[in-house]
Formats: sequence, C-alpha cells, structure tokens
Amino acid sequence: EIVLTQSPGTLSLSPGERATLSCRASQSINGNHLAWYQQKPGQPPRLLIYGASRRATGIPDRFSGSGSGTDFTLSISRLDPDDFAVYHCQQYGSSPFTFGQGTKVEIK
Amino acid sequence: EVQVLESGGGLVQPGGSLRLSCAASGFSFYDYAISWVRQAPGKGLEWVSAISGTGFSSYSADSVKGRFAISRDNSRNTVDLQMNSLRAEDTAIYYCAKHVGIYPSYHLDYWGQGTLVTVSS
Repeated sequence: EIVLTQSPGTLSLSPGERATLSCRASQSINGNHLAWYQQKPGQPPRLLIYGASRRATGIPDRFSGSGSGTDFTLSISRLDPDDFAVYHCQQYGSSPFTFGQGTKVEIK
Repeated sequence: EVQVLESGGGLVQPGGSLRLSCAASGFSFYDYAISWVRQAPGKGLEWVSAISGTGFSSYSADSVKGRFAISRDNSRNTVDLQMNSLRAEDTAIYYCAKHVGIYPSYHLDYWGQGTLVTVSS
C-alpha cells in the first residue's frame, strides 16, 4: 500500500499570499497518477489537479501541480478568500487508491 | 449533466449490516468505474472500494475486505456497497464518486453529496 503524507497539517496564510502544499508517497506512483482535491465544510471534494500537473476543467490558473515519483506539490499562487479549505492528495496508480491525511489552509 | 446520488445511510448497531446505493445519470454508466470513499467525522478521506465499468473487477481497502462487497447493475445505473459486520470505526460519510475511465486507475471527477452511516449501540 502506498502511504501518502501531506505537509504541513495546517497552513495559516493571508489572502494574496502563495500557498505551497506537499504530498509525499512511500513509493513511486505509477504514471504520476496523483490528484489533488479541494474540500469545504459540508461539501464533497472537488477535483483540482490530476496527472500530478493537469488542471481540471474550470479550475483557475492560480492552482498548479508539480512533481513526480514520490514528491508532489500543489501551489496556489495568490490565495483568494474562496481558497481557504482542506486539500487532499490521492494516488490512483495502484490499489488501494490511497489518500493523504489532508492539509487545511486557514486564514491567518 | 452528470449526477451521482447516494442513499441508504443510517444508524446501525455494531455487528449489523447496511446496504448503500449510488444512482448515477448524465453519462454512459458502463464506461466508467465507480468508487466509494468515506470520511469519518473530522477526519480525512479514506478510499473504500471500487468497481470497474463492466463490473468484472473490484477492489477494496484492507480495512473492509471480507466485510464490504461492491456490486453494480449497469441496466439500472447503480452501484451498491453491502456492508456487513459493521464496527464503530466504520462511522463516516460515504461518498460515491465516478472515475474518468473504465478502471479505477483514473482520477475521480464527480462526487455525490454523501450519505451518513453511524454505527452505535
């Protein structure tokens, strides 16, 4: 089983600042099959990034994904008030298709 | 418009059973794998189980193997999750989500609103 470790657990930032979230895998992820999801309270997750770096339809270009192998990053270039949420990474390269524990981006 | 709707959640005693159902519309159902993902109160997401578009292949997390079974009926556009021998740690919101390909080796693009399962005496 691939274990995904997200860091930090909580990121306290102000609107307009840059956010950098990490997702580290215990072993290399097949085909860089890694996705990022955003989740707000009381809502299901929403797809942001797939294939490590491809933005999903309708996702603003301030969101970007990078990385390969075992180290992946989600960057938000300038935080919008709507971006304060929990972010989850998931690998879908091999079963079980595990998630990280999540990173909460909160308003400082 | 793609829609995914879960049903069947509720309160069940430890050791009991519950059957969740996911009804989907707005896409060619048999062409896409479906997963169940759960979220315990205040916790992160946990992938539970997936089934291929044809229904011939299924996959499960170790935490539910031997207790949960996933199935699908492509004539009714539904995926079910039969949950047996339920434990307190199975308490969670259960989400149904659609993959973008026939196998679960693709990301999840549409999620339902979830159904709450509470295991308690």
